[in-house]
Formats: sequence, structure tokens, C-alpha cells
Amino acid sequence: GQSLEQPSEVTAVEGAIVQINCTYQTSGFYGLSWYQQHDGGAPTFLSYNALDGLEETGRFSSFLSRSDSYGYLLLQELQMKDSASYFCAVRDEDSSYKLIFGSGTRLLVRP
Amino acid sequence: DSGVTQTPKHLITATGQRVTLRCSPRSGDLSVYWYQQSLDQGLQFLIQYYNGEERAKGNILERFSAQQFPDLHSELNLSSLELGDSALYFCASSVASGASTDTQYFGPGTRLTVL
Repeated sequence: GQSLEQPSEVTAVEGAIVQINCTYQTSGFYGLSWYQQHDGGAPTFLSYNALDGLEETGRFSSFLSRSDSYGYLLLQELQMKDSASYFCAVRDEDSSYKLIFGSGTRLLVRP
Repeated sequence: DSGVTQTPKHLITATGQRVTLRCSPRSGDLSVYWYQQSLDQGLQFLIQYYNGEERAKGNILERFSAQQFPDLHSELNLSSLELGDSALYFCASSVASGASTDTQYFGPGTRLTVL
């Protein structure tokens, strides 16, 4: 089976940089995705890494190291609106495309 | 707006009852996924349909069932409801065409409250 681990909570100050780590265990790897979810809202897709390295999308970047089964989401120039839960997810090992999600990291941005 | 629609937005019902949640995928997406999210919990995969056929099953209770219709909309049926079924139910859709990059887009969810 697969499992993902990420910290349950992270707190940071507005304008700062924060990194949310995710380690995963899976026998077949099809990429690591990140989703953002505000309280009461729907998860929204942020980024996807299939290959090692850094992917940058505006203030958000995502990194993957397949040899370490590790990835992280980097949020720069934090804004209050970034307060949300962030989930890493891997695609299942079979051909179904279903996602297995981590338990989520709640990010609190303080003024 | 992800393009995925779900109805109803809120549902309040009593234990023992049966409800149906509806989902319309994004235009062009063939695959629909259902997830359950309980309070302060992560997203638990329930079931997936691809072009009308069941593709994968997760930790879905026997009291729950789903189907995908020819127009690709999907319904999740929850029966003999229990208090513990109270949760947010999300539908997501994707192309699922075979590419390794297959982004799932989530609907706004249905908040089910069982009293």
C-alpha cells in the first residue's frame, strides 16, 4: 500500500517563506501533487511533480526527490489568504488514477 | 470555479434515511471520483467511475453505492445513514486519458449532516 506523511500544522508570518514537507511510500510512483483547501472549501490543484527538481508557479514552488521519496511545497511572500490546509497526494499504483492523499498540513499565517 | 458541479450544497437528514448526491464533471472529463472528508480529516477515496464503468473502489461502505450515467454525470447514494456519515462529500473529475499527468478538479462539495 501507500502512505504519505506531512506535518499537521505550520505557522508562519506574513511575508515570510514556509516549506511543507511530504514523504511518501509507494511501490509504483506516478508523481506527487499538491492541493490547497480553505476551510469549508474544495481542494484546488496547485502543482504536480513527476521528475526530480523544482517546479515554480508564481509564489508557489514544489520540489521532488524520487530517490528520497520526498517532496515539499514552498510558499513565498506569504499572504493571509494562504492560511489553509495543504495536501500532498500520489497517484495509486494501479491504473485507476485515483489519488491517495496525505492527512494535510494546516498553515496559519500571522500578521 | 473548477467546472465540476455538485448538488445539493447542504443536506440535513435523519438516521436511517437515504440520500443521493449528484455530480457533473468538467466538460471532456471521462472520470469521476468520490471522496469523503470528515471533520478535521483528510480526503478518503470512495469510488471512481470511468466512462460509465466502475474503475476503482476505496473504503466505501456497503451502504453506499454510486453510478455514472451515459451523460457522464454521477450519483452517490448513501443509505441507512448513521451519525458517523456526516461529512463533506467531494466529487472530482479528470480526463484519465493515460497521461501520467492527470489533474483532478474538485467540485464544491456536499455537506451532509445526519441528525
